[in-house]
Amino acid sequence: DIQMTQSPPSLSASVGDRVTITCRASQAINIYLAWFQQKPGKAPKSLIYGASSLQSGVPSRFSGSGSGTDFTLTISSLQPEDFATYYCQQYKLHPLTFGGGTKVEMK
Amino acid sequence: EVELLESGGGSVQPGGSLKLSCAASGFPFNTYAMNWVRQAPGKGLEWVSGTTINGAGMHYADSVRGRFTISRDTSKNTLYLEMNSLRDEDTAVYYCTKALLGTNGCFDSWGQGTLVTVSS
Repeated sequence: DIQMTQSPPSLSASVGDRVTITCRASQAINIYLAWFQQKPGKAPKSLIYGASSLQSGVPSRFSGSGSGTDFTLTISSLQPEDFATYYCQQYKLHPLTFGGGTKVEMK
Repeated sequence: EVELLESGGGSVQPGGSLKLSCAASGFPFNTYAMNWVRQAPGKGLEWVSGTTINGAGMHYADSVRGRFTISRDTSKNTLYLEMNSLRDEDTAVYYCTKALLGTNGCFDSWGQGTLVTVSS
């Protein structure tokens, strides 16, 4: 199975900050990488697919990069509605696997 | 607008069975792969099972293989997950997800989830 490792597990940030979350795959997955946002008590929301393509309706302050084993999710200017938990997921091979999540909290 | 509405969750004793349903609307159901993802209380996301567009291809996580069965009824635009021999560790919110066109495991839409509680 492909293991997905996210870092950091949590971070504290302020509105307006630039936030970066990393995700590492245990083997190369090309660009078969997606990112999701989840708020407490809510279903996840799809943000990015193909490592860097934004899902429809996702604000442009979100961006993704990387290929192979190392990936990054960046929020260019953190907004109040962005405080949430973020997950990466590989879809190159079954079983599909998720990272452990990164909780973005208010400083 | 895509809508995925799960139902069928509830409380069940260990060893019991449940069948989850996901009613899909707003898109041509027979053109997209579908999956189930679960989340145990306070934990992260775990992929459970997926089916290809025609239902011929099915995949399972090792943790549920042999106990869970995924299926789809294109006449009813509905995805199912039949769960047998349930264990305490199957307790979770189960989400139905729609895959991005042309992929099997890249999710672009999620249902609101249905809670399954396995407890004696």
